[in-house]
Amino acid sequence: EDQVTQSPEALRLQEGESSSLNCSYTVSGLRGLFWYRQDPGKGPEFLFTLYSAGEEKEKERLKATLTKKESFLHITAPKPEDSATYLCAVQARVDYKLSFGAGTTVTVRA
Amino acid sequence: ETGVTQTPRHLVMGMTNKKSLKCEQHLGHNAMYWYKQSAKKPLELMFVYSLEERVENNSVPSRFSPECPNSSHLFLHLHTLQPEDSALYLCASSQELLAGAYEQYFGPGTRLTVT
Repeated sequence: EDQVTQSPEALRLQEGESSSLNCSYTVSGLRGLFWYRQDPGKGPEFLFTLYSAGEEKEKERLKATLTKKESFLHITAPKPEDSATYLCAVQARVDYKLSFGAGTTVTVRA
Repeated sequence: ETGVTQTPRHLVMGMTNKKSLKCEQHLGHNAMYWYKQSAKKPLELMFVYSLEERVENNSVPSRFSPECPNSSHLFLHLHTLQPEDSALYLCASSQELLAGAYEQYFGPGTRLTVT
């Protein structure tokens, strides 16, 4: 069974204080790893898809990386508007379902 | 309208009521999903439709009944719910089901409270 574990559960940052979120996964052949951002009371918003180890993708202050066992979401010089819950999900090669982690809630203080 | 829309955004219902949640996707996708999101827990997949055919019923109680009349619309009919069914219900769509790693796009959700 596919498993996704995100850490830490919560992260409090000062504005401008860079940090990383971790997503550890086990899957029988990875089709894709997905990162989403979710604001309170809203649906998840798609950020990135990573397909193979070594791949990196960037969007503004966010950078996602992938190894064979985990993915990192790096937040560089965060701003208060980066405050949200970040979700990681994996899709196995032989399946269509996404297995989600419980998320990391990031709070950025001005 | 763009993306994935859901109505209503908030719903309070008694345990004996019958209500329906509606989802519409404006992305031209072929697959649609219902998820349940409870506090501090990962998203739980409930139902999956591909080209209007149900391909997944993830051990969901029969008090939840999905309907997909066409590839753009998805409903979740609710009846005789329990208080533990209170959660955020999310609809999502993706381009295809199996051909490639297609990201899912989510609607804003319906916050359901069962009293």
